[in-house]
Amino acid sequence: ETGVTQTPRHLVMGMTNKKSLKCEQHLGHNAMYWYKQSAKKPLELMFVYNFKEQTENNSVPSRFSPECPNSSHLFLHLHTLQPEDSALYLCASSQGGRRGAYEQYFGPGTRLTVT
Amino acid sequence: KQEVTQIPAALSVPEGENLVLNCSFTDSAIYNLQWFRQDPGKGLTSLLLIQSSQREQTSGRLNASLDKSSGRSTLYIAASQPGDSATYLCAVDGDKIIFGKGTRLHILP
Repeated sequence: ETGVTQTPRHLVMGMTNKKSLKCEQHLGHNAMYWYKQSAKKPLELMFVYNFKEQTENNSVPSRFSPECPNSSHLFLHLHTLQPEDSALYLCASSQGGRRGAYEQYFGPGTRLTVT
Repeated sequence: KQEVTQIPAALSVPEGENLVLNCSFTDSAIYNLQWFRQDPGKGLTSLLLIQSSQREQTSGRLNASLDKSSGRSTLYIAASQPGDSATYLCAVDGDKIIFGKGTRLHILP
């Protein structure tokens, strides 16, 4: 596989469930990102990891818990979500971190519905 | 606080026309600006990235310009094709990464 992959592509979960989203990049990049895209709102950056270390957390509620075991894999652990958390969750990667000349490459996203 | 605005929100043009999409931002202290396209229900595809020290970037039929002092970027698409139909997003990388809401482009065959 090439590029950035995300699994699952669709997820329906109840508010009391615990689930995880997975992202894998095959580009040899060092930085990875989680974004949330809600209907009629701009894309929002949630977390940034650079060389496995978290470098940004943009005031994301603790019911979202990221994990980056290595530069190729990124997880988003979900628990006790609310219906307003329903959205498209996008993962991205880049060669280097933010604020440079590095383009971000996105995965296809996970469509999450919280019931 | 950075605000990014994309006007128009939607645009329909006949195939073959040249067109310009606009992105404006309120804080000129940015590191770079990136243009993306997003097809319905899909992830984003990077089109062009302009660093703060650059004035423009070109890739094929696409040309993006950046004027930091006026807080504006434009994406020029030459000889538009039906396959160009998508939502075009700009993202400004400054203190935070802020995206615009996008311009939904429809090219009429």
